[in-house]
Amino acid sequence: GDSVTQMEGPVTLSEEAFLTINCTYTATGYPSLFWYVQYPGEGLQLLLKATKADDKGSNKGFEATYRKETTSFHLEKGSVQVSDSAVYFCALSWDTPLVFGKGTRLSVIA
Amino acid sequence: DAGVIQSPRHEVTEMGQEVTLRCKPISGHDYLFWYRQTMMRGLELLIYFNNNVPIDDSGMPEDRFSAKMPNASFSTLKIQPSEPRDSAVYFCASTISRFSYNEQFFGPGTRLTVL
Repeated sequence: GDSVTQMEGPVTLSEEAFLTINCTYTATGYPSLFWYVQYPGEGLQLLLKATKADDKGSNKGFEATYRKETTSFHLEKGSVQVSDSAVYFCALSWDTPLVFGKGTRLSVIA
Repeated sequence: DAGVIQSPRHEVTEMGQEVTLRCKPISGHDYLFWYRQTMMRGLELLIYFNNNVPIDDSGMPEDRFSAKMPNASFSTLKIQPSEPRDSAVYFCASTISRFSYNEQFFGPGTRLTVL
């Protein structure tokens, strides 16, 4: 079945550091890909998405590009802030409910 | 719009008691999902509904768990009897249409503790 694998956390970075969280997927169809973020004590919320190969999703300084050749959707941000501390989930959907990765906890220290 | 509303936000109960979690989806959304989140298992889809009809309940862990959606604006997840291993955060989410492309909107969750 469809699945998502993302890098294990936790990830700890200093403010203004560069962030990469790796995500790869396995799917039989042509899924849409998503990054969701969960801030402490809250539900998940959509951060960005891409619906087809080579699409780039972006929001709040975060970016991810849908790479069909490498089945990847890595999340990047050039300069993280303390307020970016959260758990990040990669997910896919292809004619099914969202399939989530296990989540990567990011802590940004000042 | 107020978003997805869940109640209660926190529930502490004793083993063997019945627990009912409630969810009000965003108006106009046709799909409703119930998830469970734990440190060990991550985020698990328990059941989802389309137009108030349960579509897939294969994620419901045991017969002690049941979910209903009597109308488009209300759903419940019931655990009877509850056990300590049911302690988790339970999320409800809704979306406007079929799965691909569309954003799922999550509620704030109910943190359940079973003593």
